[in-house]
Amino acid sequence: GAVVSQHPSRVICKSGTSVKIECRSLDFQATTMFWYRQFPKQSLMLMATSNEGSKATYEQGVEKDKFLINHASLTLSTLTVTSAHPEDSSFYICSARAARGGPYNEQFFGPGTRLTVL
Amino acid sequence: QKEVEQDPGPLSVPEGAIVSLNCTYSNSAFQYFMWYRQYSRKGPELLMYTYSSGNKEDGRFTAQVDKSSKYISLFIRDSQPSDSATYLCAMSVDSSASKIIFGSGTRLSIRP
Repeated sequence: GAVVSQHPSRVICKSGTSVKIECRSLDFQATTMFWYRQFPKQSLMLMATSNEGSKATYEQGVEKDKFLINHASLTLSTLTVTSAHPEDSSFYICSARAARGGPYNEQFFGPGTRLTVL
Repeated sequence: QKEVEQDPGPLSVPEGAIVSLNCTYSNSAFQYFMWYRQYSRKGPELLMYTYSSGNKEDGRFTAQVDKSSKYISLFIRDSQPSDSATYLCAMSVDSSASKIIFGSGTRLSIRP
């Protein structure tokens, strides 16, 4: 159980275009979803947290107008990278968390999306 | 100074060896300590978590936390080639894990 999928797994786009990445919780309802970015040989950095039906909360230094997050349902969140530039090339990973249960409320991670901006 | 420091490796050991992976941290507010395994081009998966100081064992894996030294370890016994992956330590201040701080990961290779 607790499977999270992401689509697409890899995307290449031209500079200035927008890219949408989907994150789905397949077998549970995710009240909260998280978006991370991971550069090569670096740690995952939290970009934003979104609760279903609410606006996302962005981490310091992350441009909310550039990285649009929508969490319209309990199983789907989307990240749109607007006007992408080469420096946005990275590995984007989402995670999902169900409503509280158990001693530790685990985040379940998707397989990631490799974005390359030319 | 990073909140969580982890030696990036790579670390290469022969099959069957005991592997020791370590992280140090600076924030004394961390209460939950996790180890994730990440295969190439995949998302991380939680191996185990520990609350506060102490040891926790799960099969071939043992996690240790020493809060007085701000030092955590993961030991892998009888290592297998399938254990080859990047191992990330991670920490959070509470059980809701709303904000997890990750180490940069140690790349581990088990030689057959």
